[in-house]
Amino acid sequence: NAGVTQTPKFRVLKTGQSMTLLCAQDMNHEYMYWYRQDPGMGLRLIHYSVGEGTTAKGEVPDGYNVSRLKKQNFLLGLESAAPSQTSVYFCASSYWGDNTGELFFGEGSRLTVL
Amino acid sequence: KNQVEQSPQSLIILEGKNCTLQCNYTVSPFSNLRWYKQDTGRGPVSLTIMTFSENTKSNGRYTATLDADTKQSSLHITASQLSDSASYICVVRFGNRKLIWGLGTSLAVNP
Repeated sequence: NAGVTQTPKFRVLKTGQSMTLLCAQDMNHEYMYWYRQDPGMGLRLIHYSVGEGTTAKGEVPDGYNVSRLKKQNFLLGLESAAPSQTSVYFCASSYWGDNTGELFFGEGSRLTVL
Repeated sequence: KNQVEQSPQSLIILEGKNCTLQCNYTVSPFSNLRWYKQDTGRGPVSLTIMTFSENTKSNGRYTATLDADTKQSSLHITASQLSDSASYICVVRFGNRKLIWGLGTSLAVNP
């Protein structure tokens, strides 16, 4: 099993450009999440989804949009990239029946906005 | 305010030595505490989970402890190896499935 796969792994954007990060999981997990990780800030939740067709805001949702059209995929979009969105983005998934809340992470997508 | 604080921020040890990482939290209501290991350039991977009723749990050379009264947890690494070089992140789950992440401890194991 591949687990959680993120594409692309690296991307450089110019300010104002748009892009989409794709996350795919093959574990049949209901819950999916997008985090960003910055030095000195730790992991911060951007958006999450508790099932196909549903999305919800996390703690830092501004400037991002998400979609969960299929259970296995969770897309993170940047409509107009800003230098403040330079970060490493992690997608994660978890099983709804697991009350312990273990998250399974992808390898990360490193985004640089010039 | 719900917070998770980890110490030290970074640590350098020699291969074969032991070390202990700390995690203090002010989270209520507490559900569980989990330790993740994050290798450079990779996503975090769960090492162990501690629930309210557990004091100590081992996973190979990793031993986690939890003191629910003082709201402290530790992660002890025995006989460190070069592959233990990573960031170790403490995360506390509370209330309705919410997570509070610590900033992590960066561990470097030198030969």
